[in-house]
Amino acid sequence: NAGVMQNPRHLVRRRGQEARLRCSPMKGHSHVYWYRQLPEEGLKFMVYLQKENIIDESGMPKERFSAEFPKEGPSILRIQQVVRGDSAAYFCASSPGTGQYEQYFGPGTRLTVT
Amino acid sequence: GESVGLHLPTLSVQEGDNSIINCAYSNSASDYFIWYKQESGKGPQFIIDIRSNMDKRQGQRVTVLLNKTVKHLSLQIAATQPGDSAVYFCAESPGGNKLVFGAGTILRVKS
Repeated sequence: NAGVMQNPRHLVRRRGQEARLRCSPMKGHSHVYWYRQLPEEGLKFMVYLQKENIIDESGMPKERFSAEFPKEGPSILRIQQVVRGDSAAYFCASSPGTGQYEQYFGPGTRLTVT
Repeated sequence: GESVGLHLPTLSVQEGDNSIINCAYSNSASDYFIWYKQESGKGPQFIIDIRSNMDKRQGQRVTVLLNKTVKHLSLQIAATQPGDSAVYFCAESPGGNKLVFGAGTILRVKS
């Protein structure tokens, strides 16, 4: 029973490039969450999605960041025109559905902006 | 605002002893709490959860205690082992499914 999958595990981008992070939820899970973790800090909520819907994006920066969870395929977190401050670990989590709060995390994507 | 904090950033315990990691939360509307363990270079691993209608829940070697009066959460690990060494995060759900994480406590187990 595969867990939450994320790829790539490590991503290096130069300033100004685009970063695309992918997340496949656990089988049977229809809810996806993205969190960002800076070194030696806790995780910060970014966005919560269900298939084809953004439910809560209150943690997303207003510019350059977007997320989607299409009907088919993985969820994508997209960061345009990356800056050094975007360097962080980005974690995806999934949960079974509304009212079932336990979230299971993937291994993360470590983004480094040079 | 929403915040979850931890009292001790680092906890060192002897192998075989019991560990207690504490957490304070600020949102009295939170109705669900989770403890996660994170090892270096890995994603957070679910340990145990508790809903606000309970004050204690036990798992394998772990117990979570919730005191809503003082908005305090604790994780007890029995017979701590070297494999328990990690960063431990508490998280609360203030509503809407998102989780608010604390800063983390480093648990170091001495052999």
